[in-house]
Amino acid sequence: AQSVTQLGSHVSVSEGALVLLRCNYSSSVPPYLFWYVQYPNQGLQLLLKYTTGATLVKGINGFEAEFKKSETSFHLTKPSAHMSDAAEYFCAVSTMNTGFQKLVFGTGTRLLVSP
Amino acid sequence: DTEVTQTPKHLVMGMTNKKSLKCEQHMGHRAMYWYKQKAKKPPELMFVYSYEKLSINESVPSRFSPECPNSSLLNLHLHALQPEDSALYLCASSQDTGDTDTQYFGPGTRLTVL
Repeated sequence: AQSVTQLGSHVSVSEGALVLLRCNYSSSVPPYLFWYVQYPNQGLQLLLKYTTGATLVKGINGFEAEFKKSETSFHLTKPSAHMSDAAEYFCAVSTMNTGFQKLVFGTGTRLLVSP
Repeated sequence: DTEVTQTPKHLVMGMTNKKSLKCEQHMGHRAMYWYKQKAKKPPELMFVYSYEKLSINESVPSRFSPECPNSSLLNLHLHALQPEDSALYLCASSQDTGDTDTQYFGPGTRLTVL
């Protein structure tokens, strides 16, 4: 079964510092991977996704992620954190269940940004 | 327009009440989803509708009853819920083109069962 593991339930950074949120996947087939962000009391918003092709994926709000097959990783980065980046971040892998897409989410990482 | 709307935003109900959650999208998406999200946890899939037909039911108790009246609308009927059903209920939609689909989420309905 496909799954993702997010290392670190909380990550704290200072404003302007590098953001690195870790995600490792387990899959017997080429995975399709997603990063979603959830702001307090809101739904999930897609940041970026990897399907095929270029392994460095650029998303919204200055985020990017690199698919590394050798490391089974899909870590999310942003060069300079803003206060507005404080949120919960979920990594997910897409699976097909009886012909329909099912997203399997990691446990989430809460990003805290201090001034 | 990439918006999924959900009503109500908040709902408080007793264990004997009957209530409904509503979800709407106008993106022409053919798949719609209900998720349940407990505090500090990831979303858990409950149901998937494809072309207005129930395609996946993740062994959800019968006190939750989904309905898809048309391609733009998805309801979740609630009856005889338990306090442990209190959670954020998220609706999502996608084009239903396979496992590279992007699911677009609504803001959710925060349900409290007393």
